[in-house]
Amino acid sequence: NAGVTQTPKFQVLKTGQSMTLQCAQDMNHEYMSWYRQDPGMGLRLIHYSVGAGITDQGEVPNGYNVSRSTTEDFPLRLLSAAPSQTSVYFCASSSTRIVGEQYFGPGTRLTVT
Amino acid sequence: RKEVEQDPGPFNVPEGATVAFNCTYSNSASQSFFWYRQDCRKEPKLLMSVYSSGNEDGRFTAQLNRASQYISLLIRDSKLSDSATYLCAVPLRGYNKLIFGAGTRLAVHP
Repeated sequence: NAGVTQTPKFQVLKTGQSMTLQCAQDMNHEYMSWYRQDPGMGLRLIHYSVGAGITDQGEVPNGYNVSRSTTEDFPLRLLSAAPSQTSVYFCASSSTRIVGEQYFGPGTRLTVT
Repeated sequence: RKEVEQDPGPFNVPEGATVAFNCTYSNSASQSFFWYRQDCRKEPKLLMSVYSSGNEDGRFTAQLNRASQYISLLIRDSKLSDSATYLCAVPLRGYNKLIFGAGTRLAVHP
């Protein structure tokens, strides 16, 4: 099993550009989530999904969109990148029975100039 | 008050020392708690789950104090390899949201 995979590993965007961060898992987990991590701020939940076709907002959803068309994939879209979105983005998955026991992907380091 | 709070540290301890971190949570109805370990520039990995009063796994012990609304992580006989950031996480009751603290950094030196 590959677990949770994320692409790309690194990305530089200009202000106003859009892009999609990819996340996939092969553990048949119903629950998937996106976090951003900034220095001194810990992990903050952006969006999450409890199954295909179901998504909901986390703590910091503004400027991001998600969709969940399959169990395996949960892409995160940045609509119009801003310097404040410079961060490390982690995707995670778990069984919905134990949301606290999440498996994280390796992260995407995003810089917006 | 934040949902989950941790002392950022760093905690600098010598090898072999015992060290403990606390994590306070604001929702008194929380039923489960989780400790994650994160190495520098890596993803967080689950270290321990706590569903009742506590849990123990080798050198690591997690204890829950519901009256004061905190959980602690105790590391005995610290190793150099224990150097990392330790994140506390608490699911919001009734929601599928896992809220993390900002983490406590541990540095174990020879």
